[in-house]
Amino acid sequence: EPEVTQTPSHQVTQMGQEVILRCVPISNHLYFYWYRQILGQKVEFLVSFYNNEISEKSEIFDDQFSVERPDGSNFTLKIRSTKLEDSAMYFCASSDMGEGTDTQYFGPGTRLTVL
Amino acid sequence: KQEVTQIPAALSVPEGENLVLNCSFTDSAIYNLQWFRQDPGKGLTSLLLIQSSQREQTSGRLNASLDKSSGRSTLYIAASQPGDSATYLCAVEVNQFYFGTGTSLTVIP
Repeated sequence: EPEVTQTPSHQVTQMGQEVILRCVPISNHLYFYWYRQILGQKVEFLVSFYNNEISEKSEIFDDQFSVERPDGSNFTLKIRSTKLEDSAMYFCASSDMGEGTDTQYFGPGTRLTVL
Repeated sequence: KQEVTQIPAALSVPEGENLVLNCSFTDSAIYNLQWFRQDPGKGLTSLLLIQSSQREQTSGRLNASLDKSSGRSTLYIAASQPGDSATYLCAVEVNQFYFGTGTSLTVIP
């Protein structure tokens, strides 16, 4: 069964460093998402992406964050200058259709630890 | 802003029992509601998706209902098994997904 994959599974970085989290969505999906989950807290929406542009973003997704689909398979989340509070589990998801019409499939997550 | 609440926060039941998990949301203008399962340290697995025009969805031992006007959804699990132990999350989609804090379910053999 097709699945969303994410790399790395765990990333440790120093505060102020840039990190890139990578995702490979399910191959025929058109809509891509990033979420984060701080330990013990809710899953929070960051951004959705369709047709090579951001379709929605939350207040969390400020200028320190960016997303890119550099080729036909990868979807990346970049954090330019990490802060301690960026430590969280980051989940990528994809769906075949957007706007409530289709199930989102989640990857296993990347645990980001900022020291 | 949409707020999603799940009750109870934790639930422990003996194997074989039927159980109900509750989800409430503040803004009824949703596209859909989705129930997920999250195992410790893992990603989310979608269980059921209910479109805004639907009242319920069923998959195996799971049944989810949606009452948009009252801002409520329930997930019914029949004949619970130890393998059902996980955290169950509901999420509503407007322009983005809003998640609840989850119900941590333990099914005791």
